[in-house]
Amino acid sequence: DVKVTQSSRYLVKRTGEKVFLECVQDMDHENMFWYRQDPGLGLRLIYFSYDVKMKEKGDIPEGYSVSREKKERFSLILESASTNQTSMYLCASGERGTVYNEQFFGPGTRLTVL
Amino acid sequence: QKEVEQNSGPLSVPEGAIASLNCTYSDRVSQSFFWYRQYSGKSPELIMSIYSNGDKEDGRFTAQLNKASQYVSLLIRDSQPSDSATYLCAVIRRGSTLGRLYFGRGTQLTVWP
Repeated sequence: DVKVTQSSRYLVKRTGEKVFLECVQDMDHENMFWYRQDPGLGLRLIYFSYDVKMKEKGDIPEGYSVSREKKERFSLILESASTNQTSMYLCASGERGTVYNEQFFGPGTRLTVL
Repeated sequence: QKEVEQNSGPLSVPEGAIASLNCTYSDRVSQSFFWYRQYSGKSPELIMSIYSNGDKEDGRFTAQLNKASQYVSLLIRDSQPSDSATYLCAVIRRGSTLGRLYFGRGTQLTVWP
């Protein structure tokens, strides 16, 4: 079974702090994704990566950056956390270059910024 | 027009009934279609994938795809209270080697005993 893990289930940070969210997958997938999910707004793509050190902006990249130094690990960084970044953050991984492209999600990190 | 639209719900059906969830997409060249189930407070779980026109059955779940009408649906037969969740429709565009998914906002389903 595909396994995607995230470093924390719940996280509380203060405004202005630098926040790191880590995601690790064990299926040798090329693609990894970071989403945030808010009530009424659905899933929104922040960033994705299709290879080590490669990244693409999603729909809402402002205030976020990412790092992918190893194939299995994709990090989301909030450079200076703000209260409007309080959300559920979901990481996903999937194969690249096939028509199937199924994505599998981690358990999510619920981040609260005070 | 949104990339992927779902009937907003919420949808409420009695136990044992058929629940029908619908999704339309705007990009005619979309090629791959997925249904995810998300329980409250949990992450989305992939339950069905469909790539060709027609029906695909897996247990109590049937996905239906009509590319000409740009329509994909999920039928849940013999609905159970444990099926109560939000169902997300997602699509991938043809030629998208990067595999980006476009999600609908989801339909909340409640199955009452």
